[in-house]
Amino acid sequence: SAVISQKPSRDICQRGTSLTIQCQVDSQVTMMFWYRQQPGQSLTLIATANQGSEATYESGFVIDKFPISRPNLTFSTLTVSNMSPEDSSIYLCSVEGPGNEKLFFGSGTQLSVL
Amino acid sequence: AQSVSQHNHHVILSEAASLELGCNYSYGGTVNLFWYVQYPGQHLQLLLKYFSGDPLVKGIKGFEAEFIKSKFSFNLRKPSVQWSDTAEYFCAVNRAGGYQKVTFGTGTKLQVIP
Repeated sequence: SAVISQKPSRDICQRGTSLTIQCQVDSQVTMMFWYRQQPGQSLTLIATANQGSEATYESGFVIDKFPISRPNLTFSTLTVSNMSPEDSSIYLCSVEGPGNEKLFFGSGTQLSVL
Repeated sequence: AQSVSQHNHHVILSEAASLELGCNYSYGGTVNLFWYVQYPGQHLQLLLKYFSGDPLVKGIKGFEAEFIKSKFSFNLRKPSVQWSDTAEYFCAVNRAGGYQKVTFGTGTKLQVIP
């Protein structure tokens, strides 16, 4: 199994500011995933982050809004830029287990934008 | 693109009642199917999965799910729920073969009353 530490666990931010969320895994993984869970909605994949290459973004998400870093095989950050109240959500970091058999999730970051 | 529908958003049951949570997906090819669970204050974790073989799969804590290909369904069942089953349950799907993006349903909140 993989243990994922995500921080901050929650934050309240002002409109127009940016927040960087950190994700640390206790083992080396090839791919890390960032999800968003808006109230009453499903988990939506924002992007896939591979070490040494640019992140791959899903439809509706762009690098300028959600820049991602992946400096090594155990760490990644997601920045939510120029925030608006619509960005209020839970953001989750995830990695894949061996054999692509399941995902492991961090505890999430609950973001509220005023 | 694949999608997942969970028909029940909020289910309230008394202890010892039987549970069935509906999940339907849309994708015509070969799929992997998952149920994830999030207990209050805890990370999302895998409850059970179907990759191939016996369409009736058993997971942790007495849960099982049946894959019915003709109905594009993967319903979750438990014959007798306990108060500790109170959680949010997410159905998920991805295309079989290597790494493929996982798509989640909107989740079902289960509340079990003692």
